[in-house]
Parts: sequence; C-alpha cells; structure tokens
Amino acid sequence: DVQLVESGGGLVQPGGSLRLSCEAFGFTFHDYWMTWVRQVPGKGLQWVANIKEDGDESFYGGSVRGRFTISRDNAKNSLYLQMKSLRAEDTAVYYCAREVAGPHFDTWGQGTLVTVSS
Amino acid sequence: QSVLTQPPSASGTPGQRVSISCSGSTSNIGSNTVNWFQQFPGTAPKLLIYSNNQRPSGVPDRFSGSKSGTSASLAISGLQSEDEADYYCAAWDDRLNGHVFGTGTTVTVL
Repeated sequence: DVQLVESGGGLVQPGGSLRLSCEAFGFTFHDYWMTWVRQVPGKGLQWVANIKEDGDESFYGGSVRGRFTISRDNAKNSLYLQMKSLRAEDTAVYYCAREVAGPHFDTWGQGTLVTVSS
Repeated sequence: QSVLTQPPSASGTPGQRVSISCSGSTSNIGSNTVNWFQQFPGTAPKLLIYSNNQRPSGVPDRFSGSKSGTSASLAISGLQSEDEADYYCAAWDDRLNGHVFGTGTTVTVL
C-alpha cells in the first residue's frame, strides 16, 4: 500500500527549531514531487512547500519562506521540513503529501502536530 | 490568507444536490486545473476530484467537478449522511509559484 508516515512534531518554544520527517512506503519515492501542507486546528489548509523528484528545485509559501527548508533523502525514502525561528502562528498539524502530474496531491500522511508555545 | 474563496457552509437533505463554488483568479484557476479534497474531523484530507473533473478510483460518481474561467464547482448529487465533511478546492498559482487552497466549506446533511 502507498503510505506516508510523518514524525517529529511536538512542543517548541517561540524562536526555536524543529525538523519534521515523512517516510514513504509502497511507491518509488524518487519519481515524485513531494509537498508539505499545514492546518491550524479548526482552520483551513495551507500549502507550505514542495520539492522536485531529485531535490534540485523547491518552492515555498510566503509565510514560511526564509524560515523553513524542505529537503529529501531518496536513499531513505524520506522527506524533511526543517523549521527555524518558529512563531505561535506556525502551530498546526503538518501533513506530507505526494504530488502527481496535474499537479495534485493523491496521497497524504496522517499528520504531525507542531505546537509553538512558551 | 487563502487565495481561493469558498462559501463557509452548505447543506441539504438526503438525496438532494449540493453545489460548492470556488472562486479564484487568472493566475490560479484561470490558468491551471482545480482539485478538490474531502476532510473528516481529525483525519487527513482525501483527494476527491483532480484535473477539474476527474475522480480517483473509489470515489463515488455522485461527486463531480467543473471549471469555467476563474471559478470551479463541486457538486454532490444524491447527498448522503456520510458526505458530512469539510471540502477544499486547490490549484497551482503561477503568480505566487505555489499551491493555493480554498477557504473550505462545511457540508451538513439535514
């Protein structure tokens, strides 16, 4: 089965850093763009960033550009999101998703909660 | 912060047809395909419609999508109680160089 499993969420103080991971199962990871989407509890979806199959190209949403870095390790079938200078408004459930031609997101992980609070 | 605008809520009785609109601009819906996602509380979103009007395998044919100009719509015909959920549209935005989501619509079955 195609599956994405996120990890790395937790409680972090404002200004702190955190790295999220997303491990892929059941498909050829290096054939796909991958993306991160977040959702503040009770609110809507917000796209965060995506990365090309080989990791050579990436794009970011305006609210995280310069603070977050998306990366991948195709040998480990894993996607990462390094988050720095975290703010209270970054508190959200972070989902990784597989991006297919269209483009659209056809597979999502279960999400990992990041809470930024003192 | 959402770039695509949806009505906050929609409702209908079982068996009725419900339609949800998604309004964008020339840089997103006007230039790219639209996708729709369904989300139940506490769970991850699920792809419902892609490329404006295509259904992934397993999605009932009572769900349909359309696009015209800078707007798109999701229709649920023969509404069922299990369709109570949040629905989001999404598209790539050429000006922002990123994906954008709609504000989301909560569908209630009366």
